Amino acid sequence: LAKTTQPISMDSYEGQEVNITCSHNNIATNDYITWYQQFPSQGPRFIIQGYKTKVTNEVASLFIPADRKSSTLSLPRVSLSDTAVYYCLVGDEGGGTASKLTFGTGTRLQVTL
Amino acid sequence: GAGVSQSPSNKVTEKGKDVELRCDPISGHTALYWYRQSLGQGLEFLIYFQGNSAPDKSGLPSDRFSAERTGGSVSTLTIQRTQQEDSAVYLCASSLDRGMTDTQYFGPGTRLTVL
Repeated sequence: LAKTTQPISMDSYEGQEVNITCSHNNIATNDYITWYQQFPSQGPRFIIQGYKTKVTNEVASLFIPADRKSSTLSLPRVSLSDTAVYYCLVGDEGGGTASKLTFGTGTRLQVTL
Repeated sequence: GAGVSQSPSNKVTEKGKDVELRCDPISGHTALYWYRQSLGQGLEFLIYFQGNSAPDKSGLPSDRFSAERTGGSVSTLTIQRTQQEDSAVYLCASSLDRGMTDTQYFGPGTRLTVL
């Protein structure tokens, strides 16, 4: 079962690019990588999802190397409003076991002026 | 359109009492998930429902926890004989279909405090 490991916290200044890396050494062939963002007192919100190489949307980019054992969420030019907890989630279309639906502790990003 | 709603937003109860938490998913979403989030922790999967299939209860921490989903829509999570360690935020999410590739839309959560 794919377990994910992320840094507990990161700090950044406003305007900088932030890269958060998630390790998932046991990722399975059918697994996708999904990132969620959670603000205090709110439920998580979907940011981006990918299977391999690079995915970009209006919010972020997701870089996945060929071996897929890690992934990097890239937030361009962060602002104070990007201060949140970011979760990396790995799983497949089959949904499934409780451990695959565990978000882990996430990475707490603090953006300051 | 309306997102996932949960009620109550806050619930304070005494140890040993039963509580019911409600979740209204997004209309048309066939999958519904319940999670628990303790202070400063990640989300812990509890249970999920997909259409008319039997729910996956593999994440429920004890037999004091149960959930039902009526008519494929509204869901209720029930905790019997609450304990202080049950204090947490209970989050509900729904998606169009089951599986990790489907975006989960979360509600605001219910903050449960057991005294």
